Amino acid sequence: LAKTTQPISMDSYEGQEVNITCSHNNIATNDYITWYQQFPSQGPRFIIQGYKTKVTNEVASLFIPADRKSSTLSLPRVSLSDTAVYYCLVGDMYTDYKLSFGAGTTVTVRA
Amino acid sequence: NAGVTQTPKFRVLKTGQSMTLLCAQDMNHEYMYWYRQDPGMGLRLIHYSVGEGTTAKGEVPDGYNVSRLKKQNFLLGLESAAPSQTSVYFCASSTPGSGTSRYEQYFGPGTRLTVT
Repeated sequence: LAKTTQPISMDSYEGQEVNITCSHNNIATNDYITWYQQFPSQGPRFIIQGYKTKVTNEVASLFIPADRKSSTLSLPRVSLSDTAVYYCLVGDMYTDYKLSFGAGTTVTVRA
Repeated sequence: NAGVTQTPKFRVLKTGQSMTLLCAQDMNHEYMYWYRQDPGMGLRLIHYSVGEGTTAKGEVPDGYNVSRLKKQNFLLGLESAAPSQTSVYFCASSTPGSGTSRYEQYFGPGTRLTVT
């Protein structure tokens, strides 16, 4: 499993866009990039996954540059309810299924 | 469709006592997992199962045992609880599909365990 590095914490205000960048310099050819979200006192929740370029769903967007050594999770127009810990994970899409969680990024949204 | 449920939600044990945490899923998933999460840290994998009757050790298996007698249930046992096992325990399940579905794990609400 490729090692990932992400900021420990980020602060934002309601209505702003939040961008969390994850570094994964030793990402392998078959690795996918996955992001999970964990609200206080709840289990993590899968939010988005991608291999290259851009992926968008109803929750977030994921931007992956051509070299895939980093990725950026973008949360548009955050609200107080987006306060959570966000985890970046990288794993082989053909062989891996066990997740390895780091400490994640704690995003705090203020009014 | 309840997803993944965990029993109990809270428990306080004295050192040396034993207990079993129950995880149940109704999504017909093959894979199930037990994690622990300590304050300010990410989740660490304790044990996992890739099918009924099979279990394997994860990152931090010492002091825990597991059983998967039925596909929908995954039990986590503490034979002799220690204060170091005070943590929040999460169960998860997933399907062994190809590509992206491998990483989409569904988590339960957690069990908060305190060992005094």
